[in-house]
Amino acid sequence: DAGITQSPRHKVTETGTPVTLRCHQTENHRYMYWYRQDPGHGLRLIHYSYGVKDTDKGEVSDGYSVSRSKTEDFLLTLESATSSQTSVYFCAISEPPGTAFANTGELFFGEGSRLTVL
Amino acid sequence: KQEVTQIPAALSVPEGENLVLNCSFTDSAIYNLQWFRQDPGKGLTSLLLIQSSQREQTSGRLNASLDKSSGRSTLYIAASQPGDSATYLCAVRSDNNAGNMLTFGGGTRLMVKP
Repeated sequence: DAGITQSPRHKVTETGTPVTLRCHQTENHRYMYWYRQDPGHGLRLIHYSYGVKDTDKGEVSDGYSVSRSKTEDFLLTLESATSSQTSVYFCAISEPPGTAFANTGELFFGEGSRLTVL
Repeated sequence: KQEVTQIPAALSVPEGENLVLNCSFTDSAIYNLQWFRQDPGKGLTSLLLIQSSQREQTSGRLNASLDKSSGRSTLYIAASQPGDSATYLCAVRSDNNAGNMLTFGGGTRLMVKP
């Protein structure tokens, strides 16, 4: 299994409070992603990173920010949590596809962080 | 915009059956397609990845095929077992840039009955 650790795994918080989710990888993969998974919506990309300090928005980025100061860590922050951000959040990693013979761009996921905003 | 559809949404079969899960996509200009398994309350586990230049990939009892021209991929599971019960998702990568958007299907929830 890919070495991806998400923390916390479960969190309950109140509307308006800041929340930070952490993704830590031991694979030295350059690309990292944050997804959310919701019933009826499937998996949707929030933000992604293509290198240290290089990040960009996904399709549902409003209300979220990210930071990547080291290759191994990718943080997702909800500045002021809302009930609509109650979800399961997944971190994923991959190598840039096609940059080397073995780099298929295969995506590996963490175990998820379940966030409930009351 | 790429759209990925998985039919059926749910499937129940008796143990031992061979079965096929379907994934269709609207834009055939893909870079690769990946099949995942997700157990309840867990993350996604990568099963097979097919590059756009490939026609199929095999791993144990699993075989995934890709027909880009028709916008379809199938995941074949031979001799199904109760332990295969899970949700299976396919995801299409449109190109080899980071934020290129893997587009996910909604998944097929598989139940294999003993």
